[in-house]
Amino acid sequence: QKEVEQNSGPLSVPEGAIASLNCTYSDRGSQSFFWYRQYSGKSPELIMSIYSNGDKEDGRFTAQLNKASQYVSLLIRDSQPSDSATYLCAVVTGANSKLTFGKGITLSVRP
Amino acid sequence: EAQVTQNPRYLITVTGKKLTVTCSQNMNHEYMSWYRQDPGLGLRQIYYSMNVEVTDKGDVPEGYKVSRKEKRNFPLILESPSPNQTSLYFCASRQSYSNQPQHFGDGTRLSIL
Repeated sequence: QKEVEQNSGPLSVPEGAIASLNCTYSDRGSQSFFWYRQYSGKSPELIMSIYSNGDKEDGRFTAQLNKASQYVSLLIRDSQPSDSATYLCAVVTGANSKLTFGKGITLSVRP
Repeated sequence: EAQVTQNPRYLITVTGKKLTVTCSQNMNHEYMSWYRQDPGLGLRQIYYSMNVEVTDKGDVPEGYKVSRKEKRNFPLILESPSPNQTSLYFCASRQSYSNQPQHFGDGTRLSIL
């Protein structure tokens, strides 16, 4: 079983819609979860971190964590063309606290 | 400005010619790591370092070496590069606490002919 899995995508939504990105992880002991955004050819940029069950909101972004289901998601409200990028889910796993990434999902926001 | 700096940003070289990609951070972070990113494979960790003189293998260490003689620097060494090491490389750092996010450099695109 892959350690961090994301829907393969790509995901396309119209401008103004809600984009929902999902991620599951296998290490039940994981405590730290991150969402990174990566534009083509650029480095990953942290957009959200979440550590406790429930929702965490920051502007148009909401991260949701459910440790019992080993599931973390990212909602982007009022999607803009500038949100078009690859979104990477990352989970701290294992005894050495390694940051393990999902393969990412590419989001395209249509004007 | 807090940052992770990698050099070079782009490099085209030939098989077998030793090269070093430098990484430096100015945030006094204990933890540093190297990743490679390939289409369809995502970001994979090559090596990491918990602190000065402490390094360990990640998921794909074959063909690479690292050193951590100073806290701020974590160079990646390819002693005898091969074409399968053509990739986009990222250096990252974070504070020692595992719940802190990693900050990434701008990346180095390596092409090995």
